[in-house]
Amino acid sequence: GAGVSQSPSNKVTEKGKDVELRCDPISGHTALYWYRQSLGQGLEFLIYFQGNSAPDKSGLPSDRFSAERTGGSVSTLTIQRTQQEDSAVYLCASRLRGSGEQYFGPGTRLTVT
Amino acid sequence: AQSVTQLDSHVSVSEGTPVLLRCNYSSSYSPSLFWYVQHPNKGLQLLLKYTSAATLVKGINGFEAEFKKSETSFHLTKPSAHMSDAAEYFCVVSPTGNQFYFGTGTSLTVIP
Repeated sequence: GAGVSQSPSNKVTEKGKDVELRCDPISGHTALYWYRQSLGQGLEFLIYFQGNSAPDKSGLPSDRFSAERTGGSVSTLTIQRTQQEDSAVYLCASRLRGSGEQYFGPGTRLTVT
Repeated sequence: AQSVTQLDSHVSVSEGTPVLLRCNYSSSYSPSLFWYVQHPNKGLQLLLKYTSAATLVKGINGFEAEFKKSETSFHLTKPSAHMSDAAEYFCVVSPTGNQFYFGTGTSLTVIP
C-alpha cells in the first residue's frame, strides 16, 4: 500500500517568503507528526495531530510556524517570513492509533537563500 | 522530563565485527523505546521497539536491543556488521505513546 508522501521533495525560497509543505499520511492513520531535521542533528518535534483532538503545538519554534490537518487526513505545514535558520529537512510521520510505530515520509528539503 | 542520549555521534566498525550503538534515556514514565535507521537519501525505518514485554527485543536485519531499567539503557547490537548497515541510527523514547523524543543520532561506518 501507499506510504506517507510529502511534497515538494525540495523547495528553495528567498528569505522573507512564505512556504507550504504538504503531507499525505497513510490512510486510516489517525496520528500525524511533523519534525524538523537540521544537518547533523536529530529530529526536532514540531507538532502532533491525533484525530479530532486539539493539536499539540508545543514544539513549534515560533509563531511563524503553523500547521493544519484537514478532514483528519492531509496536513500542511506553513512557515511565514522564512529565515535562513529554517533551512532543514521537514519530515512527516503518521501512526495508527494504539501502535507505537511511526511511518515516515521522505521529507521536504527546504533551503532559504 | 524526557530525554534520550546517544553516547556516540560516530561509530566505525570493520565488516564482520560486532556493532554496539549506545542509548540512555530518562523518563518519568515506563516508556516505550525504539530504534530507527536512516539510510542516505532514504526515509526513516523502524528497526525494533520495546513496549514493556520481553526486555531483549529482536528487530530487522539481525539487530537486537536490550532494555535495562536499572541502567536506563537501550543499546543496539548486531553480532556481525554488513556493509549495508552503514547508516544513521536514532534512539527514540515515548513516555506516553503519543509524543516521541529522538536522540541526536549515531552515524555508523562499516569498513570493508
